[in-house]
This record gives sequence, structure tokens and C-alpha cells, in this order.
Amino acid sequence: QVQLQESGPGLVKPSETLSLICTVSGGSLSIYYWSWIRQSPGKGLEWIGYTTDSGKTNYNPSLKSRVTISVATSRNQFSLNMSSVTAADTAVYYCAKFTYSSLSGWFDPWGQGTLVTVSS
Amino acid sequence: DIQMTQSPSSLSASVGDRVTITCRASQSISMHLNWYQQKPGKAPKLLIYGASSLQSGVPSRFRGSGSGTDFTLTISSLQPEDSSTYFCQQSYATPWTFGQGSKVEIK
Repeated sequence: QVQLQESGPGLVKPSETLSLICTVSGGSLSIYYWSWIRQSPGKGLEWIGYTTDSGKTNYNPSLKSRVTISVATSRNQFSLNMSSVTAADTAVYYCAKFTYSSLSGWFDPWGQGTLVTVSS
Repeated sequence: DIQMTQSPSSLSASVGDRVTITCRASQSISMHLNWYQQKPGKAPKLLIYGASSLQSGVPSRFRGSGSGTDFTLTISSLQPEDSSTYFCQQSYATPWTFGQGSKVEIK
């Protein structure tokens, strides 16, 4: 059964770059879309973007200018980089597997989440 | 972006009650609608996908229905462990978007 685990710094200074890694265990990165989602009290749940195992990406237009999601298939990992962060980027960041079918597309499973605080 | 609006934002009900949460999309999303349950400090957990398909391992008291713009999550007989926040999410078009959540408390 696939499991995901986020890792990275819990504190980032304003204007710097937030970097997180999601490690996938129990399965390969093939077929699915691997996503980053964040949750803050002010903005609720917000989908950030996804990558596939081939490196195809799709980003939320509201964040696209600051976000890069990349994949490292040999390590079964994908990563998030978000530049020029501000306090508004303080949130719990989740990685999740997205499955797409004719019925719908859904996030399952999710990682446990990691809190990233933007502060000097 | 497709806006997802849930109601109510919160509710309080007794064990055994039937509970209904609604989710409305700002445009038709066919049946590309999912429901998640989130407990404090935990990640969301998939309950329902494709508007009405029950995720494996989820109790049958949870039921999803609807299509187009209006959807419903029903808990047929509320249990203490159902105290959580519930979110809907559309996957009809990117950016994929979520409702603001509906918090269910036990009286």
C-alpha cells in the first residue's frame, strides 16, 4: 500500500525559497499524478500543482509564477520549490497521490503533512 | 476557477441522527466530485469519489449523491467517531478546488 511522507524545513525566512520533498513508498511513481496541496486557516485547502513520473507538470495559476514541482523517479521522490515566500505562505503542506479515471479524479492517500512557517 | 460552496459550515447532531452536508459548484462538474473527512491534526481521508462511489474501507453509513452542480454527503446514522470536518473537491478542471469545509460535532 502506497505511503507518502513529506520532509523539509519547518521555518523559512520571508523572500526565500520553500523546499519540500515527498518520499513515496510501497509503489512506483508510474501512472498517477503526484500533487502538492496546502492548508491554511485563511485559505482552506489549496491545490498547488502536480507532476507525473515523466516530469509533466500542471500548476495552480495563482501560484504558477513561484512554484516548481519536479520528480526524481530513481529515488521515488517528488519535490516542491516555492520562491519569494511571504507570511501568507505559512501553511501545512501535504503531498498526495492523484488518481484519474472516467469517474473522477481523487487524492488518496495523503502524506501526514508538514507545517511550514514563514517568519524572520 | 470553479468555486465550491459547502453548507452548513458547522452543525451539531446526536448519535444516531441522519446528517446531510451539501456542496454546490459554480458550474457543472458532471460527477467529478469527491468527499474527504479530516480529523484535527490529520490529513484528509478520501470517503467518496465520483460523487457516489464509496472508497474501500469506508463505512456504508456514508453516502454521496448528486451531479451537475449540486451534491450531497449523507451520514445515515451519526457515530461518535464521525466528529470531523468534511470537504468536497472537484476534479472536473484544473485548478482542482475544495469547499471550505463543514464541521460536524456530536451533541
